[in-house]
Amino acid sequence: GAVVSQHPSRVICKSGTSVKIECRSLDFQATTMFWYRQFPKQSLMLMATSNEGSKATYEQGVEKDKFLINHASLTLSTLTVTSAHPEDSSFYICSAYAVFEQFFGPGTRLTVL
Amino acid sequence: RKEVEQDPGPFNVPEGATVAFNCTYSNSASQSFFWYRQDCRKEPKLLMSVYSSGNEDGRFTAQLNRASQYISLLIRDSKLSDSATYLCVVKAAGNKLTFGGGTRVLVKP
Repeated sequence: GAVVSQHPSRVICKSGTSVKIECRSLDFQATTMFWYRQFPKQSLMLMATSNEGSKATYEQGVEKDKFLINHASLTLSTLTVTSAHPEDSSFYICSAYAVFEQFFGPGTRLTVL
Repeated sequence: RKEVEQDPGPFNVPEGATVAFNCTYSNSASQSFFWYRQDCRKEPKLLMSVYSSGNEDGRFTAQLNRASQYISLLIRDSKLSDSATYLCVVKAAGNKLTFGGGTRVLVKP
């Protein structure tokens, strides 16, 4: 199947700093990518839909100024968690569509101290 | 009410036994249905799509009941490697997926 990569796989940062997570489609072009967040023992919650060349669409309750999304090319979307706080600690997963199936990246585990 | 609801489990299953569990969804406009598998600290992986007529993939059988708005997954001859969290996923118009909370299955020798 199609491959989606994420970088970094794990990051630990201090409260107040910003963290950038990259999501790449390795062998296909993705005009749309999705960003999810998963807290321990909970399901994936869609945060936003990232559209190549245009603004992202955020789900209700997700602060667009805190979670900056940039989808500058057909193979790369980035999520920047600005001024991270301990409550932002979570598993962040991106996905992209290829051939009618949504493929997920391996996820980024963010820990904010 | 959650859009997609699942029994969180865990379902403790003896190796070789059969286990089945359901998922209910609230959006009657939902168009596509899937079961994903998620291992601990890993990303979800598509197990199978669910079709109206029901479908089977090896030891896995999925059923869809649109009238009652639920889907089911049955695993026959459970293997130790089947231990995972099974996520019920629903897609309405567009490509947005809505995930259930997952059902945890533990297969024991």
